[in-house]
Amino acid sequence: QAVVTQEPSLTVSPGGTVTLTCGSSTGAVTSGHYPYWFQQKPGQVPTTLIYDTKNRHPWTPARFSGSLLGGKAALTLSGAQPEDEADYYCYLFYSGGRVFGGGTKLTVL
Amino acid sequence: EVQLVEFGGGLVQPGGSLRLSCAASGFAFVPASMNWVRQAPGKGLEWISYITRGGTTIKYADSVKGRFFTSRDDAKNTLYLQMNSLRVEDTAVYYCAGDGGNSQNWGRGTLVIVSS
Repeated sequence: QAVVTQEPSLTVSPGGTVTLTCGSSTGAVTSGHYPYWFQQKPGQVPTTLIYDTKNRHPWTPARFSGSLLGGKAALTLSGAQPEDEADYYCYLFYSGGRVFGGGTKLTVL
Repeated sequence: EVQLVEFGGGLVQPGGSLRLSCAASGFAFVPASMNWVRQAPGKGLEWISYITRGGTTIKYADSVKGRFFTSRDDAKNTLYLQMNSLRVEDTAVYYCAGDGGNSQNWGRGTLVIVSS
């Protein structure tokens, strides 16, 4: 089964910009993996921020954007807010099923 | 309002079995593909199973293959996870979640503790 890799932790200053990435052990991440990004805050159920690489849900703040970057899926947060401090998980589709990345703990400090 | 409600968690001894249920309402369950996802205490999310419309295709993570079995009863709008040969490392909150266009739909989870 594929392994999906993310940065374990990142820190961003309030108002700053940060990019989280998501790689696949099988090679480049493409739109065919339909990359999703989930946000999870302590004690809460995960919520979907981005689906199919770059599409936001109506509840997703515009400061979050998804893309493909250098063979990986990427989630960019522009203008970080204190409430963005959370765990972020990417999620990729494979023929054998689905795989979550290990998650990135984002600190806004 | 979309609702996914998981039932059936609890304390079970290693080697034991448990069946989880997930009752769905507020969206078109019958054509929807569904997933089971788990999260061990203090750990990340782990996808464990996927079932398509009508149960035509079912996939499992390597960590549960041959021990866990996913099914659905579309007449009852219910998803099931039969868990056999449970191990201590299966201790987690188990979520049912929609797939694809329904991926924003998650239950609140049910806790399974495997311990002697």
